[in-house]
Amino acid sequence: NAGVMQNPRHLVRRRGQEARLRCSPMKGHSHVYWYRQLPEEGLKFMVYLQKENIIDESGMPKERFSAEFPKEGPSILRIQQVVRGDSAAYFCASSPLPQETQYFGPGTRLLVL
Amino acid sequence: AQSVTQLDSQVPVFEEAPVELRCNYSSSVSVYLFWYVQYPNQGLQLLLKYLSGSTLVKSINGFEAEFNKSQTSFHLRKPSVHISDTAEYFCADTQGAQKLVFGQGTRLTINP
Repeated sequence: NAGVMQNPRHLVRRRGQEARLRCSPMKGHSHVYWYRQLPEEGLKFMVYLQKENIIDESGMPKERFSAEFPKEGPSILRIQQVVRGDSAAYFCASSPLPQETQYFGPGTRLLVL
Repeated sequence: AQSVTQLDSQVPVFEEAPVELRCNYSSSVSVYLFWYVQYPNQGLQLLLKYLSGSTLVKSINGFEAEFNKSQTSFHLRKPSVHISDTAEYFCADTQGAQKLVFGQGTRLTINP
């Protein structure tokens, strides 16, 4: 059973460009969570999604960030008009049910030049 | 607000020595507690978890943690560490059983 997949593993963008981060949950998991790890900091929750629904986006910045988890395909975290402060590692996790253990992907390391 | 505190940002120990990584939580409701380990440039791996039942939980590689409700702690221990245990360790609990709230992390460095 493949684990949580994230791609790309590394992404370099210039200021003002868009970044798209993809997450494929473990097979059988319909709950996806995105977390951000800034340099030298712990992980901070961003958003929790189920298929086609955003359940909790209390950790998402108000502007430029959006997330989706369509019926078919991976979950996407989209950052528009990136700034240097967006440079971080973005981790996706999935679980089969809301109260079940979350399993993490390897992360996408975003560098904004 | 609910929070998780890891009291030590870095812990250096010698190989084969015992180690304790401290974690305190502040939730007043039922909690699920976790320890995750992050090796350099990798994602997080679940080390162990407390959901209910026995307050002492163990991992397959010799780590254990004890849930202490009166002290609101969930410290991680290992009686004898190995070089391969060098990593960053994150304590976390759940808020509303949906999102994880993480501590700042403790960097464990094993010296030969």
